[in-house]
Amino acid sequence: SQTIHQWPATLVQPVGSPLSLECTVEGTSNPNLYWYRQAAGRGLQLLFYSVGIGQISSEVPQNLSASRPQDRQFILSSKKLLLSDSGFYLCAGQVSGANVLTFGAGSRLTVL
Amino acid sequence: GENVEQHPSTLSVQEGDSAVIKCTYSDSASNYFPWYKQELGKRPQLIIDIRSNVGEKKDQRIAVTLNKTAKHFSLHITETQPEDSAVYFCAAKSTGGSYIPTFGRGTSLIVHP
Repeated sequence: SQTIHQWPATLVQPVGSPLSLECTVEGTSNPNLYWYRQAAGRGLQLLFYSVGIGQISSEVPQNLSASRPQDRQFILSSKKLLLSDSGFYLCAGQVSGANVLTFGAGSRLTVL
Repeated sequence: GENVEQHPSTLSVQEGDSAVIKCTYSDSASNYFPWYKQELGKRPQLIIDIRSNVGEKKDQRIAVTLNKTAKHFSLHITETQPEDSAVYFCAAKSTGGSYIPTFGRGTSLIVHP
């Protein structure tokens, strides 16, 4: 079964600073990968998804970007953080062709 | 695209009572319906799922029912315990179309001892 690793677990950043959250997958190849954000109100907002290396689809226009430099690596970035970027970021993986999503432990970002 | 509505947003019950969370979906092509449980500060984890060729599925104290005609599905938790307190998410997905599940907004279940 696949395991999703995320880091850092907690991050406090000033407004205008850059961001890099990393997600790696263990136990499967060629997974579909997702970045979700949970702001106050607990809904899961899909930010980006990827079906393969270099293939990124964005669900909502925003201050963030994603990259997939390797099959099992998915990175969420920002050049300049906004206060509204604060939230709980979850990476999820899905074995290609399967249904179940497996989530990472999450990264809690606070922008001050 | 798919749209999933989930109700209620908050549910408060006494320990030992039953809890029911309901979801509706819009895309008749959806045929896979998972439920995830997210404890405070933790990751969502799959607790039960159902496919469209099944009307009901049980796993100990939890059960999920599906009404394809009405396009709604529900999570039932019996004999609730304080450790059932969490946010529960329903989702819908079509295996024939988009592989991306669409989530409901979540239900915060609080079980009072």
